[in-house]
Amino acid sequence: AQSVTQLDSHVSVSEGTPVLLRCNYSSSYSPSLFWYVQHPNKGLQLLLKYTSAATLVKGINGFEAEFKKSETSFHLTKPSAHMSDAAEYFCVVSMTTDSWGKLQFGAGTQVVVTP
Amino acid sequence: SAVISQKPSRDICQRGTSLTIQCQVDSQVTMMFWYRQQPGQSLTLIATANQGSEATYESGFVIDKFPISRPNLTFSTLTVSNMSPEDSSIYLCSVELGGGEQYFGPGTRLTVT
Repeated sequence: AQSVTQLDSHVSVSEGTPVLLRCNYSSSYSPSLFWYVQHPNKGLQLLLKYTSAATLVKGINGFEAEFKKSETSFHLTKPSAHMSDAAEYFCVVSMTTDSWGKLQFGAGTQVVVTP
Repeated sequence: SAVISQKPSRDICQRGTSLTIQCQVDSQVTMMFWYRQQPGQSLTLIATANQGSEATYESGFVIDKFPISRPNLTFSTLTVSNMSPEDSSIYLCSVELGGGEQYFGPGTRLTVT
């Protein structure tokens, strides 16, 4: 079975400092992985996705993530946090064989950005 | 991507009643999904709704409680039946366009009193 573990439920950063959100996955095959963001009272927005092409994936709003198979990780980073980055972030794995199309969501990481 | 709308955006309902949530997509899609997000929690898949076939429910969700319709390639409904306060959640629909990622509607915030 596929699963994702987000290692931090809450991350607080100062504006202008780097952001690191950690995600580990478990999969019996090469997975598709995603990061989504949910701003307060807003819908889910896709930040980026990994689908077995380049291991370093660039997304929207300056975010990027690196797929590391040896570490089964897919951490999300941003060099410089902005106040608008305050939101809930979800690491997601796609179950792509007998459960094609289904997504398994991590528990989420709440990001707080302080001035 | 796809533009997805949901109706209603929010509702307050009394226990024992039912609410039907509508999901409309601006293009034809094969696979649609319904999720529940309980307060302060992550998303949990309720069911997969493919046009022309019965919805497939995940463990813990049953058709009698969450009947789903998928009459065409742009529309689906989810009904939350015989509601209790534990059903208070955000309900979201999503679509998959072939690249693996899903695009989500804005959600329906349901409060059951």
